[in-house]
Amino acid sequence: QSALTQPASVSGSPGQSITISCTGTSSDVGGYNYVSWYQQHPGKAPKLMIYDVSKRPSGVSNRFSGSKSGNTASLTISGLQAEDEADYYCSSYTSIVVFGGGTKLTVL
Amino acid sequence: QVQLVQSGAEVKKPGASVKVSCKASGYTFTSYYMHWVRQAPGQGLEWMGIINPSGGSTSYAQKFQGRVTMTRDTSTSTVYMELSSLRSEDTAVYYCARGPLRNYMDVWGKGTTVTVSS
Repeated sequence: QSALTQPASVSGSPGQSITISCTGTSSDVGGYNYVSWYQQHPGKAPKLMIYDVSKRPSGVSNRFSGSKSGNTASLTISGLQAEDEADYYCSSYTSIVVFGGGTKLTVL
Repeated sequence: QVQLVQSGAEVKKPGASVKVSCKASGYTFTSYYMHWVRQAPGQGLEWMGIINPSGGSTSYAQKFQGRVTMTRDTSTSTVYMELSSLRSEDTAVYYCARGPLRNYMDVWGKGTTVTVSS
């Protein structure tokens, strides 16, 4: 199964909103509401930010939100902060887990 | 608090095997799945497989079928991931990650660095 497609990089200024896309197929992203998003700072383990497309774990800021349309899922970060600068990975589950290639978010 | 404590860094020669451990605490070990995910230097995340600590059933990514074995010891709340026939491309940080369900991972270990070099 192929990796999900994410943009290599996105950037935004503090206070702005950005959206990271994650494109799959009707067999993965489009077929199930099992999209998750992970944040990873350099040298650290990933952290769950969104699961089941749009659910936010306890403790994750409500500035992070998830959505899906067709075969593309999206992570939106509003009110961008310096601490949001990190790599972001989407994943989808069918009977296996597949990750996207990752997106580097730069806060200008 | 929920914790996943992984074993220390390993250096292996090509063709050898490595066994990484992940000791869980702070929750009911058999009530959550455990995933293994690896990350090669400068690369993205790669899912290796999952084990159900309750019954020991496993599911592996096709890429690792025949080379990976995931096991658990319920008496010590520890899961293990063994990767055989190591090659240089297996040099990576290996993470265990708890799964409330099979489709996502809510708590991650700090990672174990495995270096394969002659």
